[in-house]
Amino acid sequence: GPKVLQIPSHQIIDMGQMVTLNCDPVSNHLYFYWYKQILGQQMEFLVNFYNGKVMEKSKLFKDQFSVERPDGSYFTLKIQPTALEDSAVYFCASSLVLGDQNTLYFGAGTRLSVL
Amino acid sequence: SQLAEENPWALSVHEGESVTVNCSYKTSITALQWYRQKSGEGPAQLILIRSNEREKRNGRLRATLDTSSQSSSLSITATRCEDTAVYFCATDADTGGADRLTFGKGTQLIIQP
Repeated sequence: GPKVLQIPSHQIIDMGQMVTLNCDPVSNHLYFYWYKQILGQQMEFLVNFYNGKVMEKSKLFKDQFSVERPDGSYFTLKIQPTALEDSAVYFCASSLVLGDQNTLYFGAGTRLSVL
Repeated sequence: SQLAEENPWALSVHEGESVTVNCSYKTSITALQWYRQKSGEGPAQLILIRSNEREKRNGRLRATLDTSSQSSSLSITATRCEDTAVYFCATDADTGGADRLTFGKGTQLIIQP
C-alpha cells in the first residue's frame, strides 16, 4: 500500500537546540498531519496542513513548533527551541482528501529524545 | 478523561481463535476508525464505520458501532500470529471528517502460536 516515510527514525538532541523532523508523504496526497505520542499515552493531534497553510492546530502545537512543505519536498516539523516535554514519538500522516472518505496513511514515526 | 478508550488494555489468544476489542467514546461523531499498529510501524487503518452504519466488514475483521451507547467493537476471526499488534479506535469528534482524529491508548493483542 501507499507508504509515508519519516526521517530519521530516532533523533537525540540537547534541550534548547532546534530539530527538524522530515516526512515524505504519499506522492499524490494533498493533506498532511503531525501527531505526537508520549510513551504510554495515546497519540494526539498536533496540526494539519494543506496548500501551503496550516488548516487547524491543537493546543499541543506550541509557538516553538512550525510546519512547512516547500515546493513539494519533505513535509517538516520544526521545533525551536526544544524542551524536555517535547520528547515523544512524532507521527506524520497524509491523505488524498478530507471529510468522511478520509483515510490517513501514517509513517513509522520519529522518536525524539530531548536531553 | 479520554475521549476514546479501548478495552481491555491487553489481550492474548491462541492462533485460530476469535477475539474482540471494544472501544468507548465520549463525543458525537460522524465516523469511527479502527487502526492497527505493529511493532516498528505506524498505524494502519483497518475499517472506517460511519455514524449511520451499524456494522462493517473487511475480510476477517468486523466492526460494529452503537451510537446510542457510544461504543464500538472490532472482532477478528481465525486469528493469525501476524495479527499481533496494538489496536486503536479513533474518532473524528464530529468535525465532519478525519481531519483531526482522537485516538485511544490502544489494546495490545498478542496471538500465540
